Amino acid sequence: GAVVSQHPSWVICKSGTSVKIECRSLDFQATTMFWYRQFPKQSLMLMATSNEGSKATYEQGVEKDKFLINHASLTLSTLTVTSAHPEDSSFYICSAFNRALNYGYTFGSGTRLTVV
Amino acid sequence: QKEVEQNSGPLSVPEGAIASLNCTYSDRGSQSFFWYRQYSGKSPELIMSIYSNGDKEDGRFTAQLNKASQYVSLLIRDSQPSDSATYLCAGGGTSYGKLTFGQGTILTVHP
Repeated sequence: GAVVSQHPSWVICKSGTSVKIECRSLDFQATTMFWYRQFPKQSLMLMATSNEGSKATYEQGVEKDKFLINHASLTLSTLTVTSAHPEDSSFYICSAFNRALNYGYTFGSGTRLTVV
Repeated sequence: QKEVEQNSGPLSVPEGAIASLNCTYSDRGSQSFFWYRQYSGKSPELIMSIYSNGDKEDGRFTAQLNKASQYVSLLIRDSQPSDSATYLCAGGGTSYGKLTFGQGTILTVHP
């Protein structure tokens, strides 16, 4: 089955610093990667969609200069939260998809970000 | 606005009972539907996927899709305390684009 590895699983950072979250598809090529954010007791909110080798498409209201997404290879996508603030504290989850495979959408294990 | 709505929760059922989770969607172009289970602090895990009208069974889980009524449901038979979690319904577009998630239904199975 498809496995997506997400790191780190949790991170605490100071306000104003940047944090990078990595998402790797271990046994398949992820043609598309989705990045979600989930606040406590809320559902998943899609932040952006990225296809390998092209710029990410951000959802309305998501600042692309603050949440930098790179999908440079078919197995790796990164989300960098720049100049983090306490309101960015959330659970960030990636989801990988390959249109040619019957794996559906495979989620990473998530990253709990706390900005202090 | 493409929306996925889940029936209001939380839902509490006794152990061994059938839990019924429901979901409606507004985008008639949606072709793929998924049920995910999410434990507190964890990432969602896929329970069932369904693409065609009718029922799909996998162990204790049965997903039902009715495209005419734009309705998706998940039945959990012989509910166990370990089934206690938040269940998320999600719908996908015709080209397997982004998923739209419902707000989730909290299920509690009490012994």
